[in-house]
Amino acid sequence: RKEVEQDPGPFNVPEGATVAFNCTYSNSASQSFFWYRQDCRKEPKLLMSVYSSGNEDGRFTAQLNRASQYISLLIRDSKLSDSATYLCVVNSIQGAQKLVFGQGTRLTINP
Amino acid sequence: DGGITQSPKYLFRKEGQNVTLSCEQNLNHDAMYWYRQDPGQGLRLIYYSQIVNDFQKGDIAEGYSVSREKKESFPLTVTSAQKNPTAFYLCASSIRDRVSNEQFFGPGTRLTVL
Repeated sequence: RKEVEQDPGPFNVPEGATVAFNCTYSNSASQSFFWYRQDCRKEPKLLMSVYSSGNEDGRFTAQLNRASQYISLLIRDSKLSDSATYLCVVNSIQGAQKLVFGQGTRLTINP
Repeated sequence: DGGITQSPKYLFRKEGQNVTLSCEQNLNHDAMYWYRQDPGQGLRLIYYSQIVNDFQKGDIAEGYSVSREKKESFPLTVTSAQKNPTAFYLCASSIRDRVSNEQFFGPGTRLTVL
């Protein structure tokens, strides 16, 4: 079993739609959780950290369920510029700053 | 401007040759990392370093070597022992001793072995 698993995608949705990504992780002792965004042939960039209480940043909402070892990302009122690959990232306690990346979910927003 | 630079952006090498990828940061970060990304895959950790003159193997270190002689530099050598070296290589850095900190990435180097 992979340490971090994401919806395989790809997702193709119309502009203005709401889209949700799911991610599960296997290490119950993981402490830090992130969503990164990666544009085609570019480096990943942090979209948002994920906190236990859930957090929101504009149209983006991240949720963490420690009991189920599940992380989600919700994008509301999607824009064409949201088209990218979204990476679920979890820290590994084997090394305090080692991050484990999911394989990514590709999202395409259609006009 | 503060950031991470990687060079070159594209690199072509013949099979059997060693090649060194450059990574430099001026963010004053202690920790630096090297990842490899294959098409449709997530990032996999090759090596990481939390302080100068110290580094640890990641999940796929075989066929690679690194050095960390200066805080701002963390070069990666892809040796001829690496069986499938063609990939997108990403360098990252972060503040040390903070579990929940962000890793900042360089623009990457695309290595193609012919």
